[in-house]
Amino acid sequence: GAGVSQSPSNKVTEKGKDVELRCDPISGHTALYWYRQSLGQGLEFLIYFQGNSAPDKSGLPSDRFSAERTGGSVSTLTIQRTQQEDSAVYLCASSSTGTQALSYNSPLHFGNGTRLTVT
Amino acid sequence: DAKTTQPNSMESNEEEPVHLPCNHSTISGTDYIHWYRQLPSQGPEYVIHGLTSNVNNRMASLAIAEDRKSSTLILHRATLRDAAVYYCILRDEWVKLVFGAGTILRVKS
Repeated sequence: GAGVSQSPSNKVTEKGKDVELRCDPISGHTALYWYRQSLGQGLEFLIYFQGNSAPDKSGLPSDRFSAERTGGSVSTLTIQRTQQEDSAVYLCASSSTGTQALSYNSPLHFGNGTRLTVT
Repeated sequence: DAKTTQPNSMESNEEEPVHLPCNHSTISGTDYIHWYRQLPSQGPEYVIHGLTSNVNNRMASLAIAEDRKSSTLILHRATLRDAAVYYCILRDEWVKLVFGAGTILRVKS
């Protein structure tokens, strides 16, 4: 079946511009995550959505970063006034988390990411 | 978050078994052990997870020490397509996964 889809696959933008990154999770998955991976580094958690609950924004690095998830499906990560240090691969993942109690047993399915380059 | 320790890199020959170790001496009773791998230019891919008993699936086997302070991911016959970064992660009721640096696996033909 269809996996997690992210668009665009590559984005080059000038410093100071705003960008929007899109994630289409697997149909029926209630949990959605955003991570970012800088060149040669590990994955850094950004934000987590679960159903209609308030999102966990504890990983967002600054107030220039925001994300929303409309209708419990598609998510958009927005970076305002981009800086060169924002250059990274932004990864989205979803999982079929039924309840909080089972969350640790549900694997995450990742997209292939959006490579963002800020010049 | 409980920490894991993995070797920076390992090398294997094609068609041979590979044992990827992971130490997690501070694991708690509710922590599941998850393994993901990341192929070049792709997002991470779920491999396997377990709590106490050894686990097998079509991709790999997971051997968990009796005291749960270490585990080993076993690829029974490495192929060139198994070359990737392998992440060992502990996960409890806190839903997010915390990725460390992982082990870079190189497979020689």
